[in-house]
Amino acid sequence: DGGITQSPKYLFRKEGQNVTLSCEQNLNHDAMYWYRQDPGQGLRLIYYSQIVNDFQKGDIAEGYSVSREKKESFPLTVTSAQKNPTAFYLCASSIVAGSGSDTQYFGPGTRLTVL
Amino acid sequence: AQSVTQLGSHVSVSEGALVLLRCNYSSSVPPYLFWYVQYPNQGLQLLLKYTTGATLVKGINGFEAEFKKSETSFHLTKPSAHMSDAAEYFCAVSALPNTGNQFYFGTGTSLTVIP
Repeated sequence: DGGITQSPKYLFRKEGQNVTLSCEQNLNHDAMYWYRQDPGQGLRLIYYSQIVNDFQKGDIAEGYSVSREKKESFPLTVTSAQKNPTAFYLCASSIVAGSGSDTQYFGPGTRLTVL
Repeated sequence: AQSVTQLGSHVSVSEGALVLLRCNYSSSVPPYLFWYVQYPNQGLQLLLKYTTGATLVKGINGFEAEFKKSETSFHLTKPSAHMSDAAEYFCAVSALPNTGNQFYFGTGTSLTVIP
């Protein structure tokens, strides 16, 4: 079945550590996205990528980094510079970047907790 | 700039009653509008979307929404609530010109269905 997988489902991090969240899609989508979800704040865009080896900052990119070396993979690193990383992280993808009308399909999410 | 306002962070309805979740958008260009549903600790699932054409859009699970340009609204309705409809609902807007098919999400409405 085609879809988006995120791993791990739950992640615990000590303060000062970098952690990497995995996102893989087998939908052959060009565009991929990372969102952060906090209670009462909806979803906020961290980074997005329209094509391999290219990505752009979203609204809250500080303290995060990404790479897009393969079309199907878009890992997110939460660095120690992120002041409040505890949140639910969602990865999404869409067929064509820049179309506006294309649906974004979401993975099941990773819940990150800083101890 | 685009933005979305969802009125009512929590809505409670009785089983069998009408469900009405409100969404108003702000956009300088004709928008593309989406409703997503999220169950606890899961990703978002598309309910329906409006791009062009008929302003009354039917989605999955008996939900529908009507695009009203004059009111800048895209309210979600369902004639008869089921217990399984209890979830978080997000309205999103995507509008050109933008880059990367960026979505702007509302802060969400949590729907409770009372037996």
